[in-house]
Amino acid sequence: SQTIHQWPATLVQPVGSPLSLECTVEGTSNPNLYWYRQAAGRGLQLLFYSVGIGQISSEVPQNLSASRPQDRQFILSSKKLLLSDSGFYLCAWSGLVAETQYFGPGTRLLVL
Amino acid sequence: SQQGEEDPQALSIQEGENATMNCSYKTSINNLQWYRQNSGRGLVHLILIRSNEREKHSGRLRVTLDTSKKSSSLLITASRAADTASYFCATDEETGGFKTIFGAGTRLFVKA
Repeated sequence: SQTIHQWPATLVQPVGSPLSLECTVEGTSNPNLYWYRQAAGRGLQLLFYSVGIGQISSEVPQNLSASRPQDRQFILSSKKLLLSDSGFYLCAWSGLVAETQYFGPGTRLLVL
Repeated sequence: SQQGEEDPQALSIQEGENATMNCSYKTSINNLQWYRQNSGRGLVHLILIRSNEREKHSGRLRVTLDTSKKSSSLLITASRAADTASYFCATDEETGGFKTIFGAGTRLFVKA
């Protein structure tokens, strides 16, 4: 069966520090991968999606970047965090048809 | 921009009552999905309804889709305290893109 992992679960970082959040998927090949951000009590904002290794589409111009160095690995990064980067970050994968998405447990990021 | 908009934003009911949540969207779609999110967790897929379907059932869930009104509803019958969660509708792009657009969600609270 397929599983998706995200870590860390919680992260507290100072403003201006770098960020690296990792997401890995097991049990499937060539998934579509997604990074979302969710503000408290709000819906999901799509940040990046990837349909293959090295292929990244950015949805919102921002302080973040994403990379997909391996088929089932998706990394969200920042060189210098801003206060506004605080939120709940969710990684998800879907099959080729890009219908149902399967979400990881999320990373809660607090930038102070 | 938001594709799906849920209504109401919050709903509080007694255990055993039915809960109805609505979703409106703006552009043509291939399918519409409903997801559930427990507090602080990732989203879980509940049901997918295609644009050529009008109604779909899954256990205590009933989803309807009216493409002429660009709206959908999620009915949870005989609600339980464990149904307390946020519920999101999500739509894809009819052009076959890999993006799924999520609404802001309805927060359901079921009182025991």
